[in-house]
Amino acid sequence: GAGVSQTPSNKVTEKGKYVELRCDPISGHTALYWYRQSLGQGPEFLIYFQGTGAADDSGLPNDRFFAVRPEGSVSTLKIQRTERGDSAVYLCASSLTPYRGGELREQYFGPGTRLTVT
Amino acid sequence: AQSVAQPEDQVNVAEGNPLTVKCTYSVSGNPYLFWYVQYPNRGLQFLLKYITGDNLVKGSYGFEAEFNKSQTSFHLKKPSALVSDSALYFCAVRDRARNAGNMLTFGGGTRLMVKP
Repeated sequence: GAGVSQTPSNKVTEKGKYVELRCDPISGHTALYWYRQSLGQGPEFLIYFQGTGAADDSGLPNDRFFAVRPEGSVSTLKIQRTERGDSAVYLCASSLTPYRGGELREQYFGPGTRLTVT
Repeated sequence: AQSVAQPEDQVNVAEGNPLTVKCTYSVSGNPYLFWYVQYPNRGLQFLLKYITGDNLVKGSYGFEAEFNKSQTSFHLKKPSALVSDSALYFCAVRDRARNAGNMLTFGGGTRLMVKP
């Protein structure tokens, strides 16, 4: 079946501009996660949605970053007043309801959006 | 807090030889542990996970990993490496405590190079 998809695959923007990154999770997955991967590093958690609500946004670096998931499926990560330090690959992942019988379900990742702020 | 260390930036191995990619973790409670692989221009792909039970976990593409609680390690292994295994490998951890949040904490990654 279809995996997690992310658009655009690449985004180049000027410092100070606003950007939106889109994630389409696997159909039926209730949990959705955003991570950021800087060059040469592992992914870092940003935010986690369970359904429509942000269950954990502790990884968002500052108030320029915001994410929504209004209908419990597609999610949009929004970055205001972009800075050069925001340049990274933004990864989206989804999973079934995270816990089943005490077991944590694995997350399935999309290909990412490479954001470059010039 | 939870953290993961992958002490090797790169591992080189000849095709047909066994490979090991190291991972150690730190959590306040007990861990869920994962390995993911990343090929160029592609997303992270799930390889295997440790939840509970047997310390030796088998996963995709012939990979396995051994959970060692006393050494807080979860090394990835494969008996016979293939050139096509060359990729970036990430270890990840999540504390089992329900109030630990649902995010994964990843290591910095290890590049595996398998030479013919």
